[in-house]
Amino acid sequence: KQEVTQIPAALSVPEGENLVLNCSFTDSAIYNLQWFRQDPGKGLTSLLLIQSSQREQTSGRLNASLDKSSGRSTLYIAASQPGDSATYLCAVTTRQGAQKLVFGQGTRLTINP
Amino acid sequence: GAGVSQTPSNKVTEKGKYVELRCDPISGHTALYWYRQSLGQGPEFLIYFQGTGAADDSGLPNDRFFAVRPEGSVSTLKIQRTERGDSAVYLCASSLLPTTPGFNSPLHFGNGTRLTVT
Repeated sequence: KQEVTQIPAALSVPEGENLVLNCSFTDSAIYNLQWFRQDPGKGLTSLLLIQSSQREQTSGRLNASLDKSSGRSTLYIAASQPGDSATYLCAVTTRQGAQKLVFGQGTRLTINP
Repeated sequence: GAGVSQTPSNKVTEKGKYVELRCDPISGHTALYWYRQSLGQGPEFLIYFQGTGAADDSGLPNDRFFAVRPEGSVSTLKIQRTERGDSAVYLCASSLLPTTPGFNSPLHFGNGTRLTVT
């Protein structure tokens, strides 16, 4: 059974710092991995989608990497801003087409002005 | 354009009652998903529709839970004889079907319905 773990559970950093969030999964036979952002009381916003054949994706100040063989992904946030404060979730798909995402518990990120 | 819309945003019901939660996906999205999120946890998969049919309902916890999508657009999640353990945020998401084998489309989530069973 696929399990996804995110470390740390919570992170607080000063504004302007670069930071890395970690995600690990137990079964390397994934089709893709997504990073989401969730604001309090809101749904999830897709940030980056990495297909299994790719090693990284970039969007603005965000960069996500994928190492399937070791079962790990990282989300790098450059020059953090208070508006980046949210919970970040990673999720993997282990069956093509079904999009049955398996989520981690998330990292609650706080950027202090 | 309009995103995924879920109604109601909040629902409080008594134990044993029946509830319906509605999801309006993004226009043109043929794939629709229901997830359940408990406090402090990541969402858990419930059911996935391709068009009108449930392609995967393996996440439904028991036979009290049922979902329909009769015209391939709006979906309703139905919960019978609600229990306090059903309290959670129920999230709906939609996506385009993948156009290239092995390449899946990103999911777009609604804001969820917060269900509280008293």
